[in-house]
Amino acid sequence: QSVLTQPPSASGTPGQRVTISCSGSSSNIGTNYVFWYHQLPGTAPKLLIYRNNQRPSGVPDRFSASKSGTSASLAISGLRSEDEADYYCAAWDDSLSGLYVFGTGTKVTVL
Amino acid sequence: EVQLVQSGAEVKKPGESLRISCKGSGYSFTSYWITWVRQMPGKGLEWLGRIDPSDSYTSYSPSFQGHVTMSADKSISTAYLQWSSLKASDTAMYYCARQTPNLENALDVWGQGTTVTVSS
Repeated sequence: QSVLTQPPSASGTPGQRVTISCSGSSSNIGTNYVFWYHQLPGTAPKLLIYRNNQRPSGVPDRFSASKSGTSASLAISGLRSEDEADYYCAAWDDSLSGLYVFGTGTKVTVL
Repeated sequence: EVQLVQSGAEVKKPGESLRISCKGSGYSFTSYWITWVRQMPGKGLEWLGRIDPSDSYTSYSPSFQGHVTMSADKSISTAYLQWSSLKASDTAMYYCARQTPNLENALDVWGQGTTVTVSS
């Protein structure tokens, strides 16, 4: 069902910067806002980014995001061990009667 | 504290019916849509659909339309996800989440999840 494509994995050492891409289409990312969620092992997902690049209260500024055309990206700077999690992009899709679509997910490993 | 609390884990047999719940507290329940998300074992997130608790209007993913039913009882601030005939392929973790208009309909509050196991 995923129509947003992410790399399956990404990794870095503590302190490094890691970037995750999210590729969509004109009916989702190209037209609507992008969101990012992360999911720590064994827990519920948590909102990281809304409106393409805005952080909710409480989310550290180590997390940043951008969008260009039909693609988006999430960057984690100053990587920490607690950032090891699954990361998902998401967007509303206009072609499917208002369907909310998630990305395929990226597992971030802190080496 | 704003929170969504889901009902406990369920173990069912194929063909059985099931209803799981999601109770909101700490906010005006009827002011925010509730979304349901599935996560099959070892897999990613899938959007099942959403419900407006103020009037029980629903919107389903085409992939799940006709197989699940969403409902809500605003008098007790609770949303429900139900199946009339479970399949083994329904085995998954199910999350409810609050959809927040002033965050561009982001899913900003999540329940802890309900594990559903369907096995003969």
